[in-house]
Amino acid sequence: DTGVSQNPRHKITKRGQNVTFRCDPISEHNRLYWYRQTLGQGPEFLTYFQNEAQLEKSRLLSDRFSAERPKGSFSTLEIQRTEQGDSAMYLCASSSPIAYEQYFGPGTRLTVT
Amino acid sequence: LAKTTQPISMDSYEGQEVNITCSHNNIATNDYITWYQQFPSQGPRFIIQGYKTKVTNEVASLFIPADRKSSTLSLPRVSLSDTAVYYCLAPMDSSYKLIFGSGTRLLVRP
Repeated sequence: DTGVSQNPRHKITKRGQNVTFRCDPISEHNRLYWYRQTLGQGPEFLTYFQNEAQLEKSRLLSDRFSAERPKGSFSTLEIQRTEQGDSAMYLCASSSPIAYEQYFGPGTRLTVT
Repeated sequence: LAKTTQPISMDSYEGQEVNITCSHNNIATNDYITWYQQFPSQGPRFIIQGYKTKVTNEVASLFIPADRKSSTLSLPRVSLSDTAVYYCLAPMDSSYKLIFGSGTRLLVRP
């Protein structure tokens, strides 16, 4: 078990471009979460999957954001038409069905220029 | 979801015990108190979780009084590597999403 992995670790993009991030959770974890964190703040919840079903989405997740978990394993988070305000660390976490503890990945740092 | 309040920052010295208190006045019956630790450029890491009285693991102790309106995370004999942000949460809603505040920035000095 290598923990939660996220790719890429860093992404620099120009305003208006689309970006996609990938998260690979711990293999036996059926719950997967996306969070966003800006400098000096705690992580903010974006969305939550149980297996392949997206069960909750934050109002922070505008229509430019979409997340998928097609086979209940890895997940992708896509941001379309990026804006400078999207610059943040995007964190993925996973948890098992029998425990509340969430395991976080190292995050993807997005910079929109 | 219970709102939590904790100090913005704390300073300590190596070898001291550090106690970080969190207030959660509107905690619900089903809420657990959970603490996470975060180092710069890393995701948060679970430290400890408890419902009442005292919980201890290899990293920390968590003290929760009977009314559960506050809790105290105790870090024994801190080292420089304990410098981090510590978040207190009461996450127990049906989706298990975590609502983080701004946390407590602990600085451990030599």
